[in-house]
Amino acid sequence: QQQVKQSPQSLIVQKGGISIINCAYENTAFDYFPWYQQFPGKGPALLIAIRPDVSEKKEGRFTISFNKSAKQFSLHIMDSQPGDSATYFCAARKAGTASKLTFGTGTRLQVTL
Amino acid sequence: NAGVTQTPKFQVLKTGQSMTLQCAQDMNHNSMYWYRQDPGMGLRLIYYSASEGTTDKGEVPNGYNVSRLNKREFSLRLESAAPSQTSVYFCASSDGSRRLHINEKLFFGSGTQLSVL
Repeated sequence: QQQVKQSPQSLIVQKGGISIINCAYENTAFDYFPWYQQFPGKGPALLIAIRPDVSEKKEGRFTISFNKSAKQFSLHIMDSQPGDSATYFCAARKAGTASKLTFGTGTRLQVTL
Repeated sequence: NAGVTQTPKFQVLKTGQSMTLQCAQDMNHNSMYWYRQDPGMGLRLIYYSASEGTTDKGEVPNGYNVSRLNKREFSLRLESAAPSQTSVYFCASSDGSRRLHINEKLFFGSGTQLSVL
């Protein structure tokens, strides 16, 4: 049973466009929602994260939007660049469980010229 | 600064063979983790160690054992490998002492690609 559902599975965006990846969760005990970025042959690396007491967090071209009532959160990549081509994972953590993250299934993003 | 180092990078096993995946971190982190990554399934937690001397099961522990050898090292053992254990295995570590901090993050190694024939 997938506790964090991620969509789409793959995404192709033109350079300069906006990439949007969505995640949904059921467990209201989750209190921390990070996004990880993974390049081929590498391990995932933290990109940006949010807690449910805010609705949006922005870091450069990357923004997380969080909707607590709908139990959904999304990653927006503005002005997408070919260097953003990677696999993106959303994740969630239960309160009080150290960093035991539950990951989504991943989205492979390709940014074309 | 090496971060999280995993060995080996690639391994091919026959069904029934055993092996140990090694992981070491040089960031003085308290917590360490083993994940497996499979297509369409994301990353799933196998075992974790919140601090030196403790280990706990994650989401998919069956067929695996772990040892937290010291604060730096956390190994994953497959006692009798099965084709279902073909996967990419990632070790990760985190500070672990500030669980509620917004910026706490996992640092991942570069992975071990394991094939069980």
